[in-house]
Amino acid sequence: AQSVAQPEDQVNVAEGNPLTVKCTYSVSGNPYLFWYVQYPNRGLQFLLKYITGDNLVKGSYGFEAEFNKSQTSFHLKKPSALVSDSALYFCAVRDRGGSYIPTFGRGTSLIVHP
Amino acid sequence: NAGVTQTPKFRVLKTGQSMTLLCAQDMNHEYMYWYRQDPGMGLRLIHYSVGEGTTAKGEVPDGYNVSRLKKQNFLLGLESAAPSQTSVYFCASSLAGEPNEQFFGPGTRLTVL
Repeated sequence: AQSVAQPEDQVNVAEGNPLTVKCTYSVSGNPYLFWYVQYPNRGLQFLLKYITGDNLVKGSYGFEAEFNKSQTSFHLKKPSALVSDSALYFCAVRDRGGSYIPTFGRGTSLIVHP
Repeated sequence: NAGVTQTPKFRVLKTGQSMTLLCAQDMNHEYMYWYRQDPGMGLRLIHYSVGEGTTAKGEVPDGYNVSRLKKQNFLLGLESAAPSQTSVYFCASSLAGEPNEQFFGPGTRLTVL
């Protein structure tokens, strides 16, 4: 079975400060991991994914995520937050060799204050 | 290249009415999915399809039916709408193979009175 948890419903950060949105996962094998962003009244947009190799993955809009196998985490990060980064962020996991259908977390609302 | 489109964008139904939501993609993707999004619940998979003529149940299939008669289209039907089906519905598509990310449509906001 595969599952993903986003422990924070909301993250608040000041513009210009670094941001982190947390994600932990559980799979029986090795994971594929994804981050998506949803702006108000829009569909989800793909940000980045981890397949294998380098634990630091770079994605769109200056975001990056760090895969940590020992902590089963895949936290989303950005060195300097923008007000326009305010949105809902979803982490998703797929068990490699298992179901090809990903499981999504419940989402974390990121609010960047001017 | 329009990506994934959904019709309609908004709809209000009365309990017991039926309707069909249409999803279309022009990326030649093999896989297509229907999700519902409710506050605090994240995305929940209703049904999915791995190819033309094939469909499968997801996490919350009850009360919904789907059809994929053409590769580019994935229809979601509500035979007898209930207030519990008030939600925002998203269609997504992806290439076959792994690990390919999903492309989402803009959503359909459905209210059942």
